[in-house]
Amino acid sequence: ETGVTQTPRHLVMGMTNKKSLKCEQHLGHNAMYWYKQSAKKPLELMFVYSLEERVENNSVPSRFSPECPNSSHLFLHLHTLQPEDSALYLCASSQFAGGPHNEQFFGPGTRLTVL
Amino acid sequence: SQELEQSPQSLIVQEGKNLTINCTSSKTLYGLYWYKQKYGEGLIFLMMLQKGGEEKSHEKITAKLDEKKQQSSLHITASQPSHAGIYLCGADGREAGGTSYGKLTFGQGTILTVHP
Repeated sequence: ETGVTQTPRHLVMGMTNKKSLKCEQHLGHNAMYWYKQSAKKPLELMFVYSLEERVENNSVPSRFSPECPNSSHLFLHLHTLQPEDSALYLCASSQFAGGPHNEQFFGPGTRLTVL
Repeated sequence: SQELEQSPQSLIVQEGKNLTINCTSSKTLYGLYWYKQKYGEGLIFLMMLQKGGEEKSHEKITAKLDEKKQQSSLHITASQPSHAGIYLCGADGREAGGTSYGKLTFGQGTILTVHP
């Protein structure tokens, strides 16, 4: 595997379910990100992890819980979601969090539908 | 907070035509990133601009950052169907003298359709 991978690619869940999204980067980067992309809204940053430490939490509801066990893996744990949480969830990584030349490389995304 | 405005919101061109997409910031840009996205997929990094007046090219795509560092343009020469997709500009959220911790703010995207 190369680059940034995400699983699953598609997920349908009920509002009472608990599920997790997984992201893995094979680029040797130190920073990882979760973004949310909803229809007709700009891409929104949710969380930033730098060296496995959360450095940014962009006012995200507590029903979204991130976890970064090591610099290569990032999870987004979901519970009691709402239909308006349906969106494309994108994971990204970069060499460092912040600083110049902070090119972020994105995974293919998980299309989440909450019923 | 920084806001990015992209124009046009959508663009339909005939194959072979040139086109330009603009990205305007409400604040000085400390780093401006251009990405391309196929619908429902991840973003592909195209180019990053940092210095006022900077210009970069890759194949038939050229990106520029104005001297005041508040506006960027993406120009595609002799467009092809493979250029179709959503183009997004993203800005480093760093304030003067501060750090952004990697926070990128994105424009709403420009949807490009290229007819063969």
